[in-house]
Formats: sequence, structure tokens, C-alpha cells
Amino acid sequence: ILNVEQSPQSLHVQEGDSTNFTCSFPSSNFYALHWYRWETAKSPEALFVMTLNGDEKKKGRISATLNTKEGYSYLYIKGSQPEDSATYLCAFRKYGGSQGNLIFGKGTKLSVKP
Amino acid sequence: ETGVTQTPRHLVMGMTNKKSLKCEQHLGHNAMYWYKQSAKKPLELMFVYSLEERVENNSVPSRFSPECPNSSHLFLHLHTLQPEDSALYLCASSQGSGGQETQYFGPGTRLLVL
Repeated sequence: ILNVEQSPQSLHVQEGDSTNFTCSFPSSNFYALHWYRWETAKSPEALFVMTLNGDEKKKGRISATLNTKEGYSYLYIKGSQPEDSATYLCAFRKYGGSQGNLIFGKGTKLSVKP
Repeated sequence: ETGVTQTPRHLVMGMTNKKSLKCEQHLGHNAMYWYKQSAKKPLELMFVYSLEERVENNSVPSRFSPECPNSSHLFLHLHTLQPEDSALYLCASSQGSGGQETQYFGPGTRLLVL
């Protein structure tokens, strides 16, 4: 059974704080790691697809790093804003896995207070 | 807007009803997916269609029956559901289904089975 764990489950920060959360996944047979941002009542929105050990990707104030050897990825948000409030999901794809089969974590719910 | 629409957004049905969920993608993708999110659980893949052929069925009960008449449309036919099938059902699409491509999600259908 493949497990993808995200921590913390939820996070409350003040506007302007920087924050980060973790996605842990199996370190063997890695193929890809996806990050999504999911606001309530909206569609999950793709942030990053990461494929190489040591990858670092950035989109505005959000960035992510990847360590496939130890099986974790960090998502960082610099200077959080209220509009960053959402659930952040990661999804792991195993090498040789079934077509389209992403294994999702439960997500980290971020609340940013003005 | 992700280019993936789902109807209806909310559905209440009795255990003896038959209903269908509809998904449409306007992105020209060749793969479509159904996911289920139950309370307190991560997103779980149900079905994958690639080039209009079902390529994955993640041990889903037969009371859920998918249909993909063309590359832009995906249906999930529901019959004789149980209360534990109450969940959020999300559709997604991608170009390819190898695992490194981004999946674009619809906003979901919130289903309540009474």
C-alpha cells in the first residue's frame, strides 16, 4: 500500500508570515510528485509537477523542493496573504504505476488571517 | 476556470434512484478521470479513460458505471447507491496519462445518498 502523508493537517498564520509544509512519499520507484492548491467550492488548481531529485520550482510567492532519495517535498509560501487560504494537496506517482494513478495525501489546510 | 465543467454541482438521491454525473472538458485532452473524496479521506482515483477507452478501474463497485462517449465527455452513472457513497466526485482531464502531466480538475459534484 502506497502512503502519502502531509503535515501539518492544518495551519493558521497571520498575513505576512512565511510558512511551509511537508509531503512524504515512498522513496522507491519515484516517478513524479504533484502539488495542487484547492480553495473551498472551487476546482483543485495545479501548482507544480516535480520529477527530478533536487528540483526546485517557483510560482510567485510559492515554491517547492523535492528530495526523492528520502521521500519528501516541501512547499513554501513567502509572505502569506488571505487569498493563499486553501488546502494544499500533494500527489505521488510511482514508476511503473497504473495509468494516471496519482496517490493523493489528505492535504494541509492553510488559513491566513488578515 | 480550469476548462473542466461538471454538472450537477449538488445531487441528492435515494438508494433506489438512478442518476448520472456529467463532465466536459474544453482543453482538447485525451485522458479523463473520475475521483472520489469522502469525508476525512484523500482523493481516490476511481476510473481512467485514455483515448476513450477505460484503462483503469480501481476496484470500484459495479453500482458506479462510467461512460466516455468521446474525448470531451465523461459520465458516471449511479444506481442503487448506499449512504456511504455520499462524497464529492471530481472529474479531471490531462493530455496523456503517463503520470508527469498535469491533471486539470472540475469543481466536483457533491452527492448525498439518503
